[in-house]
Amino acid sequence: AQTVTQSQPEMSVQEAETVTLSCTYDTSENNYYLFWYKQPPSRQMILVIRQEAYKQQNATENRFSVNFQKAAKSFSLKISDSQLGDTAMYFCAFIPPQGGSEKLVFGKGTKLTVNP
Amino acid sequence: GAVVSQHPSRVICKSGTSVKIECRSLDFQATTMFWYRQFPKKSLMLMATSNEGSKATYEQGVEKDKFLINHASLTLSTLTVTSAHPEDSSFYICSARDSTTLSNQPQHFGDGTRLSIL
Repeated sequence: AQTVTQSQPEMSVQEAETVTLSCTYDTSENNYYLFWYKQPPSRQMILVIRQEAYKQQNATENRFSVNFQKAAKSFSLKISDSQLGDTAMYFCAFIPPQGGSEKLVFGKGTKLTVNP
Repeated sequence: GAVVSQHPSRVICKSGTSVKIECRSLDFQATTMFWYRQFPKKSLMLMATSNEGSKATYEQGVEKDKFLINHASLTLSTLTVTSAHPEDSSFYICSARDSTTLSNQPQHFGDGTRLSIL
């Protein structure tokens, strides 16, 4: 079975500091896509960042960056200069390309609180 | 950018009522849409894959007759919770991806529907 594991149910960080959320996954596929989604209290799912497994370069989006370790099947999210608006649930997800399926496999999420 | 509209955002109804939730892709075509259920403080659980012009594909353990899905056009999928009971109360979210783009492009999510059955 293809799974995504987020081992940190909750984390907190001080405003302006850096925090890293961990994610590991299990798949026998060689090519797939990885995502981090953010779900604030409004419950809207917002894409934070994505990574194609065939790309060695780590994706970055402004204050958000990933550390993608394909051999270790690890896909952590680093948030720099944390802001109060970053408080949310963060879900790691990936799409295993099984015969063209686009099903997202989600982790259980990490609740991040940014403290003033 | 791509937007997915989900309606209604909130519904409260009596036990035994059927409730329809709509998911629309506003500026792109989606041959496939996805319906999720989310319990409080939990992750998203995929319920079914909605396929335009054909039957939906349900995940194991999801009752087809309970959760009816119709995907009659390239921009609209509906989820009907039939004869809803209190245990069906939950947060339901849909997602869709632009069918004309590469598969590495992300899914876009609706804002969700909070369903409360009294």
